[in-house]
Amino acid sequence: DTAVSQTPKYLVTQMGNDKSIKCEQNLGHDTMYWYKQDSKKFLKIMFSYNNKELIINETVPNRFSPKSPDKAHLNLHINSLELGDSAVYFCASSRGLAASYEQYFGPGTRLTVT
Amino acid sequence: AQSVAQPEDQVNVAEGNPLTVKCTYSVSGNPYLFWYVQYPNRGLQFLLKYITGDNLVKGSYGFEAEFNKSQTSFHLKKPSALVSDSALYFCAVRDYNQGGKLIFGQGTELSVKP
Repeated sequence: DTAVSQTPKYLVTQMGNDKSIKCEQNLGHDTMYWYKQDSKKFLKIMFSYNNKELIINETVPNRFSPKSPDKAHLNLHINSLELGDSAVYFCASSRGLAASYEQYFGPGTRLTVT
Repeated sequence: AQSVAQPEDQVNVAEGNPLTVKCTYSVSGNPYLFWYVQYPNRGLQFLLKYITGDNLVKGSYGFEAEFNKSQTSFHLKKPSALVSDSALYFCAVRDYNQGGKLIFGQGTELSVKP
C-alpha cells in the first residue's frame, strides 16, 4: 500500500505550458506539503495545507497554485512553465501541524522544462 | 530563524566500520530534529527524530542519533555500515513558529565501499 503517491513520476514539457501534479495520501493525515528539490538536491518548502486550509505559502511565484479538494489530496498546478521550474517536486503529509510529527514523503515528480 | 547545517558534503566509510553523519542546528526554543534518507531516484524516508527525553534516539535500519544540547548537534550514527546504506542523508528541524515546515540541511552523500 502506497502511503503518499504522486502522479506523474516524470513530466517533460515545453516552456510556456501549464501542467499539474497530483498527490494523494492514504494515511488519514490532516496536513500535506509540497517541497521542491533543485539540481543540487537542496529541499525547500513551497506550500502546506492543514484540513484543506492553506498554512504555508513560501515565496513561490504565483504561477504555482496548490489546490486541496479534500484532506487526502493536494495538487500542484503550474502555469506558464519556465526553464527554472525544472526540479523534483515532493509531496509529503503528517498527522498534523504539531512539531513532533514526522512527515512522510511521496516518490517525487521529476519535472523537466525544455 | 531555525536552521540546520551539515558540514560534510560527502562521507566515505568502509563496510563494517562505524559511520557518523554530522548535523548542527540553530533554533530559538526547543529543537525538534529529524533525519531522513533519500535513495537514488526515490523519495525521502523518515529515519528518526528527537523531540524530548533521552539524548540517544534509535531509529530505522539500525541508525541512531545523539542529541547534544551544549554543542547544538544531532549527529547520525551506525555501529557497522552496510553498502546498502549508501544514500543521501538529510538533517532537518521543524519550525513550529512557521506552520511546522521542515527546514533541511544541504544533505550529506554517504558512500559505503565493500
